Amino acid sequence: GQQLNQSPQSMFIQEGEDVSMNCTSSSIFNTWLWYKQDPGEGPVLLIALYKAGELTSNGRLTAQFGITRKDSFLNISASIPSDVGIYFCAGPVSGYSTLTFGKGTMLLVSP
Amino acid sequence: DGGITQSPKYLFRKEGQNVTLSCEQNLNHDAMYWYRQDPGQGLRLIYYSQIVNDFQKGDIAEGYSVSREKKESFPLTVTSAQKNPTAFYLCASSPLTGRAYEQYFGPGTRLTVT
Repeated sequence: GQQLNQSPQSMFIQEGEDVSMNCTSSSIFNTWLWYKQDPGEGPVLLIALYKAGELTSNGRLTAQFGITRKDSFLNISASIPSDVGIYFCAGPVSGYSTLTFGKGTMLLVSP
Repeated sequence: DGGITQSPKYLFRKEGQNVTLSCEQNLNHDAMYWYRQDPGQGLRLIYYSQIVNDFQKGDIAEGYSVSREKKESFPLTVTSAQKNPTAFYLCASSPLTGRAYEQYFGPGTRLTVT
């Protein structure tokens, strides 16, 4: 199946540090999406990527669509306490209009 | 304000009772989705609908039912046949064309069944 593997599972960092996380699959994806979920809330779309090699920023967040189309990366620069949450990657299920989600990377930021 | 609302935020039920979770959107999206989230897990698709009066099963549809009588509304019923109903339930919507994969989520309903 089209499983998405996120790494790392969790991160505990100091405020001000940069963060990198990734999402990989054995299948090719034509779209990558990154979401953030605050505790007890619904996920919020951060960045959508549509083209291999594409690099897109949203404030301190930058995401890249891997050139192999089997991976994507999310970087957060100069982390702040409100960056705490779970970050999910997602991609379309082949042949369907639905998404498959990774299990998430939990980010904790110490002030 | 355009968005998705889910109510209630917290729901408690006794085992053996059916319970219906509400989801409403005013984004004029054609497609709507229901997901289940368990601790440490990603989101698993229960049901989705792309048009009024039509819906499809997702990966874990057993023990759940839905209806789509209006474009704006997609209620989910958790039946007594669902073995482990306690979970966080998320509703989402998206357009059918253009950026069709960009799903927008509601705030979720946490269901506890005892």
